[in-house]
Amino acid sequence: GIQVEQSPPDLILQEGANSTLRCNFSDSVNNLQWFHQNPWGQLINLFYIPSGTKQNGRLSATTVATERYSLLYISSSQTTDSGVYFCARGGNTGFQKLVFGTGTRLLVSP
Amino acid sequence: ETGVTQSPTHLIKTRGQQVTLRCSSQSGHNTVSWYQQALGQGPQFIFQYYREEENGRGNFPPRFSGLQFPNYSSELNVNALELDDSALYLCASSSDRANTEAFFGQGTRLTVV
Repeated sequence: GIQVEQSPPDLILQEGANSTLRCNFSDSVNNLQWFHQNPWGQLINLFYIPSGTKQNGRLSATTVATERYSLLYISSSQTTDSGVYFCARGGNTGFQKLVFGTGTRLLVSP
Repeated sequence: ETGVTQSPTHLIKTRGQQVTLRCSSQSGHNTVSWYQQALGQGPQFIFQYYREEENGRGNFPPRFSGLQFPNYSSELNVNALELDDSALYLCASSSDRANTEAFFGQGTRLTVV
């Protein structure tokens, strides 16, 4: 089946540090999203990025669809960045099925 | 613009009972998908409704069923609850049935005892 792998599984940073989260997927994508899940469980949309590069403040993302990976960059991390980051991939099924990775758990300490 | 809202936020049920979870889609969206997230895992796709019809289903048994209403809000029904059904249930809405950005509600945390 479709595989989505995220690395690293856990990451501990000091406030102000930069980080790169990686998402590898096993098949072509028509939809690739990055989410931040807050402590209350809500998935917050970060990027909808089937291909190319986008930036939003301290966060940016790049998807290289031909090489089947996506990267999420977090610069100058803050304690509020803590939580679980998921990438999710949608394919050619004709419906909006997102296959999620196992997540990267980020802890930013002051 | 109203986001995706789910109710209730928390629920405790007894094994064997039935439960109904509700989701209001984001304004302008005609597609609702439901996901189950067990503790420590990523969300798993249950099914999707597009314009009031189920048009995609994940690997879940028939006791997981749903509805979508003319205003595109949706219900998830689970019959004969099992302990393993304890999870966070997430609803997502999108503007079309495929290849569009999905927006999630805050989830319903179901505990089966």
